[in-house]
Order: sequence, then C-alpha cells, then structure tokens
Amino acid sequence: DGGITQSPKYLFRKEGQNVTLSCEQNLNHDAMYWYRQDPGQGLRLIYYSQIVNDFQKGDIAEGYSVSREKKESFPLTVTSAQKNPTAFYLCASRKTGGRDTQYFGPGTRLTVL
Amino acid sequence: GQQLNQSPQSMFIQEGEDVSMNCTSSSIFNTWLWYKQDPGEGPVLLIALYKAGELTSNGRLTAQFGITRKDSFLNISASIPSDVGIYFCAGQLSGGTSYGKLTFGQGTILTVHP
Repeated sequence: DGGITQSPKYLFRKEGQNVTLSCEQNLNHDAMYWYRQDPGQGLRLIYYSQIVNDFQKGDIAEGYSVSREKKESFPLTVTSAQKNPTAFYLCASRKTGGRDTQYFGPGTRLTVL
Repeated sequence: GQQLNQSPQSMFIQEGEDVSMNCTSSSIFNTWLWYKQDPGEGPVLLIALYKAGELTSNGRLTAQFGITRKDSFLNISASIPSDVGIYFCAGQLSGGTSYGKLTFGQGTILTVHP
C-alpha cells in the first residue's frame, strides 16, 4: 500500500526537550516537505528537500531542523529553541514531471506541556 | 508568506444543496490543487488542475482553473453529510527555483445539516 506515513499520531513532550517527528514515503518521490498547521492560520512551510542530502528552509524554519539521508525519509526535529511548538505537523511529498502534485501524510499532533 | 484569498470562510448548508467556493491570487500559478481535510487528519487531494481554463470533475466535485491563472473554483453538487470538513485551495509554480512551493488559501469550513 503506497503512501506517506507519519509517526506518532500524537506526541507529548515537556518544555525544553527536543523531539523528532518521523515521515516516510514509499511513493518514490524526490521532493519532501514539512508544514505546520495552527488553527485559523492554514499551512505554513517549515523545510523542504528536493533531493537526498539537500534541504532548504521554508517560511518558518527557526527552531526546527531536518535531515534527508534517504529518499524515503525526512524526519523533523522540533528543538527547544522553537518558542511555540504545540501544533499539527504535516509531511508531504511531491510527484514531479508532468502532472506535478503534492500528497500529504496523516499528520502528527505535538503538544508541549 | 503569501496566502491565497479563499471564500467563503465557512458555509452552513442543507443536505442536497450545491456548494461553491473559490480562490483568488495576485500572482499567477501553473497548477491549482484542491484538498479536503477532516479534523485531526492530513489533507486529501481532491482535484488537480494544470492548464488555464481546464474544467475537471471527480464524482460530485467540479473544479476550474481560471483563464487568468490567478483564480480557481470548486463546486460540490448534491452535498451529503460526509462532505463536512475544511476545503483548501493551493496554487503551485513548477520549475525554476519554485521548488514546488504551495501557497494555500485559509480554508473553507463546510457544515452539512442532514
């Protein structure tokens, strides 16, 4: 069954702790993205990667870090420097060439206590 | 970052009614995407549009890519209770340095009364 998986679905962390969110895709897509969603604010781009071992900052990268060691995986670390980390995090991958489309994973809700 | 102007922000309709929502932008796009999001879930792609003037259907859903490339609309015919959710439009520029960045509308919250 092809698609994008994110784990865990819900994550609770204490303030000051780093936390890593997982994103895996088996769609053979080169490009992957991380978005943050807050109520009433739509989706905002955190980081993106167009190819393995390369990634770029999006609109709201401060307090986040990523890696892209494998084509299938694009983990996001929410660091203690992120001032307001509680949010819904969405990973996406992009099918390029011809009918360019982005597909989203099911999301991870992070709550920092 | 830039956001698209999506309207209406919310709609309350009776089951069986038709629904129409639209997005406008000050910039042109070469792809328009429409997504539906249920609470606590990721957005699911409904319709993708790739050519100015293109009209595409997916069951009871119909979407169009505006001629000016700065707008798009989504229609839902004969709404049913499971149409409830948040609908997002997204514009994308492909190629060059655009890196496939999506620009999103604020979403339209649809409520369907049985």
